[in-house]
Amino acid sequence: EAQVTQNPRYLITVTGKKLTVTCSQNMNHEYMSWYRQDPGLGLRQIYYSMNVEVTDKGDVPEGYKVSRKEKRNFPLILESPSPNQTSLYFCASRRGQDQPQHFGDGTRLSIL
Amino acid sequence: AQKITQTQPGMFVQEKEAVTLDCTYDTSDPSYGLSWYKQPSSGEMIFLIYQGSYDQQNATEGRYSLNFQKARKSANLVISASQLGDSAMYFCAMSEWGTGNQFYFGTGTSLTVIP
Repeated sequence: EAQVTQNPRYLITVTGKKLTVTCSQNMNHEYMSWYRQDPGLGLRQIYYSMNVEVTDKGDVPEGYKVSRKEKRNFPLILESPSPNQTSLYFCASRRGQDQPQHFGDGTRLSIL
Repeated sequence: AQKITQTQPGMFVQEKEAVTLDCTYDTSDPSYGLSWYKQPSSGEMIFLIYQGSYDQQNATEGRYSLNFQKARKSANLVISASQLGDSAMYFCAMSEWGTGNQFYFGTGTSLTVIP
């Protein structure tokens, strides 16, 4: 089944403890992105990647890192999480610029 | 100016009736795509339907159809024969093909289907 898989789905952690949210897609898509969704602010892009080893900042990249070493994987790294990074996070992928995005099921992250 | 505007914060529809969710967009790029997503209360973002700016016919996917009016810059979602499971938030989104990987999302419309 074609899908974007994020893990974990839920995470409660503490300030400063490094964490990684994994994202994997099995559709051989070129483009991948990370978003966060917050009440009243909608969906905002954190980082995106147009191919292996090609990544770029989105609208809200501060406090996040990404890597794209393989086409299928695009992990989101929070080196030193803070409470303002508590949010619902989505990974998404698409085949090309003229194609729709497909989202993972989301990761609910709470940082205390 | 807002790239995507959804003017209906909340909508109600009777079960089995059709409903139209409005979406207008703003772009000067001649090449773009419009998508609709459904977000139920469980939180996942489900892709529903997509229309490219050069597609001649309106996109349809099962009970979903996209009423694409290019001159009016509107891309309304029509859900036919509403079901209780259609109750969710619905988001309209646009991608401009000439600007890399930027996606613009609307603020969403909350749809409630009444039995």
